[in-house]
Amino acid sequence: SAVISQKPSRDICQRGTSLTIQCQVDSQVTMMFWYRQQPGQSLTLIATANQGSEATYESGFVIDKFPISRPNLTFSTLTVSNMSPEDSSIYLCSVSPGLPSYEQYFGPGTRLTVT
Amino acid sequence: AQSVAQPEDQVNVAEGNPLTVKCTYSVSGNPYLFWYVQYPNRGLQFLLKYITGDNLVKGSYGFEAEFNKSQTSFHLKKPSALVSDSALYFCAVRAYTGTASKLTFGTGTRLQVTL
Repeated sequence: SAVISQKPSRDICQRGTSLTIQCQVDSQVTMMFWYRQQPGQSLTLIATANQGSEATYESGFVIDKFPISRPNLTFSTLTVSNMSPEDSSIYLCSVSPGLPSYEQYFGPGTRLTVT
Repeated sequence: AQSVAQPEDQVNVAEGNPLTVKCTYSVSGNPYLFWYVQYPNRGLQFLLKYITGDNLVKGSYGFEAEFNKSQTSFHLKKPSALVSDSALYFCAVRAYTGTASKLTFGTGTRLQVTL
């Protein structure tokens, strides 16, 4: 299994600012994903981070709001731009070897509060 | 489109009693099915998965799940619950395709085990 770390673990930000969340994996992985989760609720996929190319965004999420980088096979960043209180959530990084039969592994999450 | 239903928001069980957390799914073709557990302020931890073969799958912490194709269900079970099993449980499905498709999560079921 992969060990995933995220920075920061939590933050409180003012509306209108941006926050970049880092995700580091201890081994090379094919697929990296970013999810959003309201506390105690289900997970919503934001995008798939593709190494060397633009991320693939899910319906309702756009690159201007959630720019993603993936410079190599072990690291990705998610930026939450021009934040509003509605962006308050837990943001989770997840990785997978890429085959459908493989489970995904999740980072500990970043708890974001926007005031 | 694929989907997962977890009909119970919360399941209450006394310690030592058997527990069942229900999950039904909808997917085109053969499914890959997963269970995850989330403890407070933690990321998701993988419990077990069904890929093919034996309908009864055993996983971590004494949990098991039974795949029933005719009922499109994948219920999570444990013969004897522990207070430490109290957490949020998510069922997830991925359709089998030639390439990785996204993982779809249920809404989650909170398991409360009491003495």
